[in-house]
Amino acid sequence: GQQLNQSPQSMFIQEGEDVSMNCTSSSIFNTWLWYKQDPGEGPVLLIALYKAGELTSNGRLTAQFGITRKDSFLNISASIPSDVGIYFCAGQRGTGNQFYFGTGTSLTVIP
Amino acid sequence: NAGVTQTPKFQVLKTGQSMTLQCAQDMNHNSMYWYRQDPGMGLRLIYYSASEGTTDKGEVPNGYNVSRLNKREFSLRLESAAPSQTSVYFCAGRAANTGELFFGEGSRLTVL
Repeated sequence: GQQLNQSPQSMFIQEGEDVSMNCTSSSIFNTWLWYKQDPGEGPVLLIALYKAGELTSNGRLTAQFGITRKDSFLNISASIPSDVGIYFCAGQRGTGNQFYFGTGTSLTVIP
Repeated sequence: NAGVTQTPKFQVLKTGQSMTLQCAQDMNHNSMYWYRQDPGMGLRLIYYSASEGTTDKGEVPNGYNVSRLNKREFSLRLESAAPSQTSVYFCAGRAANTGELFFGEGSRLTVL
């Protein structure tokens, strides 16, 4: 099945540093979603993107819909300990109902 | 407004036993989904329902059945559980206007 390539797989950073992660696919997507998952909980939606080139912010988080429509990026500025968790990207192709998920980026913030 | 609610949150089964995971949403979503999450695999789609009365297979449907009982409820059934079905199962609803997926808190299933 379709899986999105998400990188890096894990990150260990100092509190206050900025974070960048990305998601790539060989297919074109029409929608990109970014989620955060805390241990023992369900994924929580952070940002939704609908157009190529779109740049959307949610507090310290900024995500971009790649202009090729085959990738998306998530940046976190000035990381804090509560940013710890696993971040997932999800993409939708065409007008279908299926979303495909990346394998996640595990973020650890060292105080 | 509870969003997407899953029951049970934890379950232990023996190989061959059957069980049903329940999901209910109060967000008026037309589309609902069942995913499984395994370490290093991300979320994989088992089944989805685009609207009341319809269901479709996802990436990994084998060993599962679903029922879209009404607009609010979408259940996942394991007829004869196998150890390979040990996983965390997530139900999600999709907002019709934005296309965003909203997840429940998960059901952790162990098959011995």
